[in-house]
Order: sequence, then structure tokens, then C-alpha cells
Amino acid sequence: QSALTQPPSASGSPGQSVTISCTGTSSDIGGSNYVSWYQQYPGKAPKLIVYEVRKRPSGVPDRFSGSKSGNTASLTVSGLQAEDEADYYCSSYAGTTRVFGGGTKLTVL
Amino acid sequence: QVQLVQTGSELKMPGASVKVSCKASGYTFSNYVMNWVRQAPGQGLEWMGWINTNTGNPTYAQGFTGRFVFSLDTSVSTAYLQISSLKAEDTAVYYCARPLDGTTTLPNYWGQGTLVTVSS
Repeated sequence: QSALTQPPSASGSPGQSVTISCTGTSSDIGGSNYVSWYQQYPGKAPKLIVYEVRKRPSGVPDRFSGSKSGNTASLTVSGLQAEDEADYYCSSYAGTTRVFGGGTKLTVL
Repeated sequence: QVQLVQTGSELKMPGASVKVSCKASGYTFSNYVMNWVRQAPGQGLEWMGWINTNTGNPTYAQGFTGRFVFSLDTSVSTAYLQISSLKAEDTAVYYCARPLDGTTTLPNYWGQGTLVTVSS
């Protein structure tokens, strides 16, 4: 199962909005409502921030929002803050397996 | 609260084996599957598979069959990942991760990770 495709980097200034894309196929993102996003700081374990395309676990700010269209999922971070600088990974259920994207490094300028 | 505590870092020679443990606490171990995820240095996340902690039945992702074995000791609420015939490319941080709830396999609660370094 190939990894999902994410841009290697994204950036924005504090207060702005940034959208990170995640492209898959009809076998994963296109055929599943089980798309999730993780945030990871260097040297730390990933943290789930969006699941089932657009749901947020308790405690995750509503500045993080997810969406999906066809074979592409997106994560939008609104009102960028310095603490949002991290790596972000998308993931999708694909039949009986799970696949991750290659990751996007978000830089807050 | 849910906690997953993993083995400390390991340094192994090529060809050797390693067994990483993941001790769970704060919930009923057999009610949730356990995922394993690999992250090579400077690289992204790779889902390795999961094990049903109720039946002991493992599911391995492509590329993680043969040398990789998931196992359990339910008496001590611990999941294990054993890797045999280690290669340099197995050098990575290995995470165990419990799902958000009992109806999904989606990793939500993560261990701190175990760095396995394979080098002569």
C-alpha cells in the first residue's frame, strides 16, 4: 500500500490560515470516511487532532479542521500560532490496513 | 488515565533480534487492540499492523511480515513487538498505540517510543 501524498512543507504567518492537502486513491481516502490527522513535535509521539475526516478529539482547538473531496483530504489550521509549528501526518483506513502520508512540516513565519 | 510505557532504547548488531515491550495501564487491556507504528530517523510514520488483545490475532501491514511478530502477555497488560534478523534499515523509533475507543483501530494513545539502533 503506497503512502498518501502530502506536500513536504507549508508555512504561514501568525493569525493566518494554512491548508495542508493529502492525496490518495479510491482505495483509501476516496473510499473511506476514516481519514485522520496527527500533529508531531520533534522527539515526541504523534497526537491525534482530527479523525473521521472532520471530528476533533476532546481538547483539540477548533482552529484545526478537516475536510475531504474525492481522493483528497485537507487539514486547515486557522489563526496560526507559534505552537502550531510541527509535522503533520494524514492517515486513512484502506480496507483492512491503515496508511499514512509522508508528512508536512508546518512553519510559522 | 491511559498510559503506555515502552522499553528503553536498544542497540543491536545486524542479524540479532530485539523484543520491544509496551505496558498498558489505566484501562482494561483486552478491550482495545494495540497498533504498532515505525518511524525511521527523519522519516514519516509507517503503520506496521495491530494485534487483537482479546484473541491474540495479529494483522501485519505489507512489508512487515516474516521478521516482525506481535505478541501479548495479558496477565501483565503488555504487548510485544519482536524483530528478528535485524538489518540496518530497521533502525527506527517504534511506537505502540491504543485506539480512541473500542470500536476502532485508529491510534490515539501513544507510547513514548522505543529507539532501536542496528549497527555493528
